[in-house]
Amino acid sequence: GENVEQHPSTLSVQEGDSAVIKCTYSDSASNYFPWYKQELGKGPQLIIDIRSNVGEKKDQRIAVTLNKTAKHFSLHITETQPEDSAVYFCAANGDDKIIFGKGTRLHILP
Amino acid sequence: DTAVSQTPKYLVTQMGNDKSIKCEQNLGHDTMYWYKQDSKKFLKIMFSYNNKELIINETVPNRFSPKSPDKAHLNLHINSLELGDSAVYFCASSQGLAGTYKQFFGPGTRLTVL
Repeated sequence: GENVEQHPSTLSVQEGDSAVIKCTYSDSASNYFPWYKQELGKGPQLIIDIRSNVGEKKDQRIAVTLNKTAKHFSLHITETQPEDSAVYFCAANGDDKIIFGKGTRLHILP
Repeated sequence: DTAVSQTPKYLVTQMGNDKSIKCEQNLGHDTMYWYKQDSKKFLKIMFSYNNKELIINETVPNRFSPKSPDKAHLNLHINSLELGDSAVYFCASSQGLAGTYKQFFGPGTRLTVL
């Protein structure tokens, strides 16, 4: 079945700088890759997703890139702000379910 | 308006007790899920239901029994609670099966077993 690896587990960036979180997946049949943000005490919230027919998708300060050949996908957050501090999860589909990475705790430093 | 809601938000109970968590979605979705998030924040699917039919059962102990009375509700009953059941349980829903459709999560139920 699908396996999703996510790095780093913790990331600290200065406010205003960019943050990049990387994931790899194992199942070449996966074709849907969502990213979730989880704030303290809340449920995961979908922030952006990408399907395998495109290589990049952007929504304001957030972008996701997908390399199907290498089975890599990444989340890029530019001009980071304090409210970006949260745990971020990448995920990939497989067997009618979503398999999540282990999460990246992002700290935005003042 | 809350899209996916769960009750209760917190649940503290003794080992050996039986408890239930309720979930409701008002998105008109066909598919609902239960996830368990452990202390390390790892999110793991437990069950999924599509149109009230069980689709996924991820080798969860049979002390856990989901019930879907209709498409908008998916409840989770847990018998003989154990210390290791302490976690945050999330309900989620999607328009169709998760491989294709976006999933929306509820706020979570933090279960503490003493």
